[in-house]
Amino acid sequence: GESVGLHLPTLSVQEGDNSIINCAYSNSASDYFIWYKQESGKGPQFIIDIRSNMDKRQGQRVTVLLNKTVKHLSLQIAATQPGDSAVYFCAEKGGGYQKVTFGTGTKLQVIP
Amino acid sequence: DGGITQSPKYLFRKEGQNVTLSCEQNLNHDAMYWYRQDPGQGLRLIYYSQIVNDFQKGDIAEGYSVSREKKESFPLTVTSAQKNPTAFYLCASSSGQGRPYSNQPQHFGDGTRLSIL
Repeated sequence: GESVGLHLPTLSVQEGDNSIINCAYSNSASDYFIWYKQESGKGPQFIIDIRSNMDKRQGQRVTVLLNKTVKHLSLQIAATQPGDSAVYFCAEKGGGYQKVTFGTGTKLQVIP
Repeated sequence: DGGITQSPKYLFRKEGQNVTLSCEQNLNHDAMYWYRQDPGQGLRLIYYSQIVNDFQKGDIAEGYSVSREKKESFPLTVTSAQKNPTAFYLCASSSGQGRPYSNQPQHFGDGTRLSIL
């Protein structure tokens, strides 16, 4: 079946370094992808999204890269800060008006 | 500020009891969703609604019920038929001209944690 997953369950990064969080997807028809940040005890917070007709999109300190050839999505966080510590998960939407599927998440730990 | 408000933050259910989780949004979004989050799992869809007085079952609807009498409100009832209700419940909404899954992100509330007494 279709699935959205993550390569690493936990990522530890030194404060000030860049972080890269990866996500693999298997539905080649997916046309919209989203990254969320979830802090402990809170709901997911939208970070950035990208449509399948794009390879890269940048936000404030974040960049999402989409490689449709290998069905891979990544979130890059520049100059990681302690406030970035959270669980990050990706989501994909199937083509057209198919439902959104969420990954299980990667925990980002920022070391001061 | 626009957003999604879920209440209560914590809820306890006794055996055989139905409990209702509240979700209100002032984002003027057409579509609303309920998800369940369990440790180590991705969000699982319980119900969604794309317009007032209309809602559809998601992947794990058994033991749950919803209503959508107002655009702003989408309450979820966890019935006694749900044998494993302990979880973190998340409500979300999205815009998209009445479609539940357009290329617009879902925005989430801060959840209700339900536990069994």
